[in-house]
Amino acid sequence: QITLKESGPTLVKPTQTLTLTCTFSGFSLTSSGVGVGWIRQPPGQAPDWLALIYWDDDKFYSPSLNKRLTITKVTSRNQVILTVTSVDPVDTATYYCAHQLFTVVPGSLVSGIYDFWGPGIKVTVSS
Amino acid sequence: DIVMTQSPDSLAVSLGERATINCKSSQSVLYSSNNKNYLAWYQQKPGQPPKLLIYWASTRESGVPDRFSGSGSGTDFTLTISRLQAEDVAVYYCEQYYTTPPSFGRGTKLEI
Repeated sequence: QITLKESGPTLVKPTQTLTLTCTFSGFSLTSSGVGVGWIRQPPGQAPDWLALIYWDDDKFYSPSLNKRLTITKVTSRNQVILTVTSVDPVDTATYYCAHQLFTVVPGSLVSGIYDFWGPGIKVTVSS
Repeated sequence: DIVMTQSPDSLAVSLGERATINCKSSQSVLYSSNNKNYLAWYQQKPGQPPKLLIYWASTRESGVPDRFSGSGSGTDFTLTISRLQAEDVAVYYCEQYYTTPPSFGRGTKLEI
């Protein structure tokens, strides 16, 4: 059974760095094709994709936030970590980590379908 | 980025009736080499994360009731919930994964 859970601060001040940890079970980030993504959702708004990391350490970021995001994995701890630098009140959101559905089409791994999600962590950016 | 536009913003349907939610992408999400539409639907209930319902526009995720169905191709897609049940009250989002970053519609709130 796949489970994920986000942890980290729920209140951060503007200009600080936000560090969130996703701890998962039921799969391994050393297995070929496995990916874990981060998605955030501001209050009352649609989900907004942030970043993705693969088993082979390949990484992808939202172009609009690219310079502020870093995604890393700690395979020995079954964790994926997301850092967001220079936070602003507009970064207030519920942050989710999610397991990417493993599906392939001839010649490529398909990215962007998320079949298991953590419960989310609500982060507020305020002084 | 591909912009996803959903309609209507909200919808009220009687129990046992059919609900239809539309999603339009700003460019085609049909990949010609494999004839697949890179389009998913999610359901989100209050206080919960999104739940994957459908991907490839019409493939139901394991465990999703068959009253949920997806259709469409290219830029125009539909999520249909036949025989609406009380537990289907939620916000529904479409998502394209044709390009990175994947992008979501603004959601359709379904009420009884």
